[in-house]
Amino acid sequence: EPEVTQTPSHQVTQMGQEVILRCVPISNHLYFYWYRQILGQKVEFLVSFYNNEISEKSEIFDDQFSVERPDGSNFTLKIRSTKLEDSAMYFCASSKGGGVEQYFGPGTRLTVT
Amino acid sequence: GESVGLHLPTLSVQEGDNSIINCAYSNSASDYFIWYKQESGKGPQFIIDIRSNMDKRQGQRVTVLLNKTVKHLSLQIAATQPGDSAVYFCAENINTGNQFYFGTGTSLTVIP
Repeated sequence: EPEVTQTPSHQVTQMGQEVILRCVPISNHLYFYWYRQILGQKVEFLVSFYNNEISEKSEIFDDQFSVERPDGSNFTLKIRSTKLEDSAMYFCASSKGGGVEQYFGPGTRLTVT
Repeated sequence: GESVGLHLPTLSVQEGDNSIINCAYSNSASDYFIWYKQESGKGPQFIIDIRSNMDKRQGQRVTVLLNKTVKHLSLQIAATQPGDSAVYFCAENINTGNQFYFGTGTSLTVIP
């Protein structure tokens, strides 16, 4: 069964550093998403991406964040200058359409020290 | 912003019993709902969904009930098994937008 994959599973970085989280969505999906989950809290939407552009973003997704689909398979989330409060699980998801079932990857745990 | 909340943060049930997990949502414009299961160290896994034109939907051992009058959603798991132990989230979507709003989650523990 096809699944969303994410790398790395755990990323440790120092405050102020840039990080890139990588995702490979399900191959025939057209919509891609990033969510984050701070430890013990609910899953929060960051951004959705369709047709090579951002279609929706939340207040969390400020200028420090960017997304990119550099090729036909990868979808990345970049945090330009990490802050302590960026420490969280970051989930990538994909779906065939908008407003339908989204399939989640296993997540990347980002720890900012 | 939108608010999706759960009535109980934790739930313990005996193996073989039925489980009911509840969720309240605040936005009457929400028209699509999903229940997700999240096991430790994993991403949310789709369980079942329901659209606002329905009030009940059944899957394998799971049933989702939607009461739009009181903006309430529930997930019923029949004959709960140890493998059902996880955190369960409801998530709502508005007008086929791309964003899902997740609740805080209920931790279900199945006692063998």
